Amino acid sequence: GAGVSQSPSNKVTEKGKDVELRCDPISGHTALYWYRQSLGQGLEFLIYFQGNSAPDKSGLPSDRFSAERTGGSVSTLTIQRTQQEDSAVYLCASSGGGPPTDTQYFGPGTRLTVL
Amino acid sequence: AQSVTQLGSHVSVSEGALVLLRCNYSSSVPPYLFWYVQYPNQGLQLLLKYTSAATLVKGINGFEAEFKKSETSFHLTKPSAHMSDAAEYFCAVTHEGGTGNQFYFGTGTSLTVIP
Repeated sequence: GAGVSQSPSNKVTEKGKDVELRCDPISGHTALYWYRQSLGQGLEFLIYFQGNSAPDKSGLPSDRFSAERTGGSVSTLTIQRTQQEDSAVYLCASSGGGPPTDTQYFGPGTRLTVL
Repeated sequence: AQSVTQLGSHVSVSEGALVLLRCNYSSSVPPYLFWYVQYPNQGLQLLLKYTSAATLVKGINGFEAEFKKSETSFHLTKPSAHMSDAAEYFCAVTHEGGTGNQFYFGTGTSLTVIP
């Protein structure tokens, strides 16, 4: 594909429901990142995958958040029992190598609204 | 610990005028610094990066930034603003050997270009 894609672009859900957000990285990219962008805030790191290594989950805000990456490609971020404070734009990025200097290519994001 | 501060959440300039977006960093180790641009409904795109080589870094679309260690700054400039430069700009910091969870983004500066 031409770039990183994310789906859905917008998601409105009710408090307490589970949501799944999908990220398709650039083909061949080994590194994949998830960030959260809240109104008026910078990007907040959530989780990082690098190749077949165990993911770095140190940024996940609670155990309601989880992510997986299947076959070293597509990633899904799952938020269980959503809360209103989870409302944000969730951004995915991929890079061809590892940090810190490899350029991250970002998707357009998923805007999550929890009512 | 590392962080960046972007002074001015909103900046307005006239078309053809100088663009100056400010970024100050805090870092206990030599930093790597980045500027990203986010156009409406699009993902972040790398403008330029500093990784300990030349202190004056030139990026895409006529932007450049200068690393000033004495001022702990990495301000983004462009001599003449175009309407197409209207976007959100983010500064980010990491360091040599930094891992995937060690990119720290500023809160962003929204640039408006007045015709």
